[in-house]
Amino acid sequence: GAGVSQSPRYKVTKRGQDVALRCDPISGHVSLYWYRQALGQGPEFLTYFNYEAQQDKSGLPNDRFSAERPEGSISTLTIQRTEQRDSAMYRCASSLGTGNSYEQYFGPGTRLTVT
Amino acid sequence: EDKVVQSPLSLVVHEGDTVTLNCSYEVTNFRSLLWYKQEKKAPTFLFMLTSSGIEKKSGRLSSILDKKELFSILNITATQTGDSAIYLCAAHDEKLTFGTGTRLTIIP
Repeated sequence: GAGVSQSPRYKVTKRGQDVALRCDPISGHVSLYWYRQALGQGPEFLTYFNYEAQQDKSGLPNDRFSAERPEGSISTLTIQRTEQRDSAMYRCASSLGTGNSYEQYFGPGTRLTVT
Repeated sequence: EDKVVQSPLSLVVHEGDTVTLNCSYEVTNFRSLLWYKQEKKAPTFLFMLTSSGIEKKSGRLSSILDKKELFSILNITATQTGDSAIYLCAAHDEKLTFGTGTRLTIIP
């Protein structure tokens, strides 16, 4: 079956613009996670959802970052007034649930470059 | 603060060698330990470990967890050039806390 998909795959934007990154999880997966990965680092947690409810947003760096998953399926991560330090690979992952036996599957990522 | 530390950061070996990658963790509500392999694209899932002392095996790869000492190891035997990748370890407490990874390079 189809894996996690993300769009766009690459996004170049000017500083100060808003961007919206989309994640389409594996069908039937309850939990959806957003991570940010800098070059040479492991993914860093941003936020996650169970169904449409945002369970934890403690990893969002500041209030310019927000995420939603209104119908419990597709999610959007929005960054307002982008800054150069926001440049990174943004990865989405999904899992069947949040229990012990549910591994997370990652999408291909959106590489964001803020100029 | 939750923390995952991997070692070594980088490892270069010859094809056919055996390697051991290390992962230690400090996580408040630990549930499981996951290993991923990352080449140029998304991390791909290798193992999830929830119980101490039970080895998980997949071909030439194996992994084990020690919940008392808070670490895990990933072993790869008879390495091949296709094993070259970054190996990421993550501690799971609903979210995943990742280490920085071990960059493994296999020389033919």
